[in-house]
Amino acid sequence: QSVLTQPPSVSGAPGQRVTISCTGSSSNIGAGYDVHWYQQLPGTAPKLLIYGNINRSSGVPDRFSGSKSGTSASLAITGLQAEDEADYYCQSYDSSLSGSVFGGGTKLTVL
Amino acid sequence: EVQLVESGGGLVQPGGSLRLSCAASGFTVSSNYMSWVRQAPGKGLEWVSVIYSGGSTYYADSVKGRFTISRHISKSTVYLQMNSLRPEDTAVYYCARSIAAAGQHGWYLDLWGRGTLVTVSS
Repeated sequence: QSVLTQPPSVSGAPGQRVTISCTGSSSNIGAGYDVHWYQQLPGTAPKLLIYGNINRSSGVPDRFSGSKSGTSASLAITGLQAEDEADYYCQSYDSSLSGSVFGGGTKLTVL
Repeated sequence: EVQLVESGGGLVQPGGSLRLSCAASGFTVSSNYMSWVRQAPGKGLEWVSVIYSGGSTYYADSVKGRFTISRHISKSTVYLQMNSLRPEDTAVYYCARSIAAAGQHGWYLDLWGRGTLVTVSS
């Protein structure tokens, strides 16, 4: 089990909005550590999407947005497109582990 | 061009050793945190290790005491020495440039290599 919990899968039709949740605890997200999000297209290395909870990485369209509240964070994708079909991972720091932690990943399917 | 290129992966028997290399170009490894992240076949991402710009090193519990991260500044290369390898260490190993989070512990990974596959099997 991953320290950060994500839904295994989400889906949506083109043009729709989807959200992916990332739930942690008082030793990571709840302790105030930043959450970052990555997109991994099939057969490729992960790519940074969102850093510092809300900041889009260079070149990432504004259809992607991040938020954080309490012990959870979310990634929202609006205006879904076929090329958004990928695996998405959240990442943070955990003080009890003294290291970085990832969520288990969420597979986004565009219907 | 700013990039990372990993090498050194391959097939190794349980209990064996392997050294991965990560060659950086377009930036200075000594000025950045550098991390290794792995992904077992069909599984999610797992953070393995980080080396801070000041030289401090940290490891995931799953590899502590077996893996060692280091760097050669003049060669602009980061290494991961992996000893006492186990079948569960089988994964694609990614090298990533890591940007320290402002005012707190932690970092994010803004530049990734393409990865190198390590297979531990007899």
